Amino acid sequence: SQTIHQWPATLVQPVGSPLSLECTVEGTSNPNLYWYRQAAGRGLQLLFYSVGIGQISSEVPQNLSASRPQDRQFILSSKKLLLSDSGFYLCAWRPGLGRGEQFFGPGTRLTVL
Amino acid sequence: GEDVEQSLFLSVREGDSSVINCTYTDSSSTYLYWYKQEPGAGLQLLTYIFSNMDMKQDQRLTVLLNKKDKHLSLRIADTQTGDSAIYFCAEKAMNYGGATNKLIFGTGTLLAVQP
Repeated sequence: SQTIHQWPATLVQPVGSPLSLECTVEGTSNPNLYWYRQAAGRGLQLLFYSVGIGQISSEVPQNLSASRPQDRQFILSSKKLLLSDSGFYLCAWRPGLGRGEQFFGPGTRLTVL
Repeated sequence: GEDVEQSLFLSVREGDSSVINCTYTDSSSTYLYWYKQEPGAGLQLLTYIFSNMDMKQDQRLTVLLNKKDKHLSLRIADTQTGDSAIYFCAEKAMNYGGATNKLIFGTGTLLAVQP
């Protein structure tokens, strides 16, 4: 069966510090991978998605970036965090072919102070 | 633009039925989904329905789809306190080339179950 991991689970960072959040998927090959941010207002905002190694699509221009160095690894980064980067970050995967449903990781709670 | 709308809040008593409603935008969407999010957790896929179906039942969950009105609902029978969560509907995003790799999520409905 497939599982998706995110770490860390929680993170408190000062403004201006760098960020690296990691997501890995087990039990599948060549998944589509997604990063979402969920602000306190509850809605999900798609940040990046990837259909393969080194292929990143950015949905919202901002000070975040994403990379996919391996087939089942997706990393969300920032060089300098802003207060507005605080939120709940969710990674998701879906099979390359199929109905299209996405499966979510447990999330990372980021607080920027 | 693309907008999937849901009411923000629903309160029910334990044992009653809950009905969570959603209106979606793209009549060509092939699949529609319901997700559940418990506090501090990721989203859990509850069920899905294919666009050529009107209804799908899965234990306590019943999904109704009205394609003409682009309306989707999730009924939870015999609602329990463990059903308290945020519920998101989602549609498969389409473009002129067909299905995309993306889902469009609704704003989420907070279901509060009173004992």
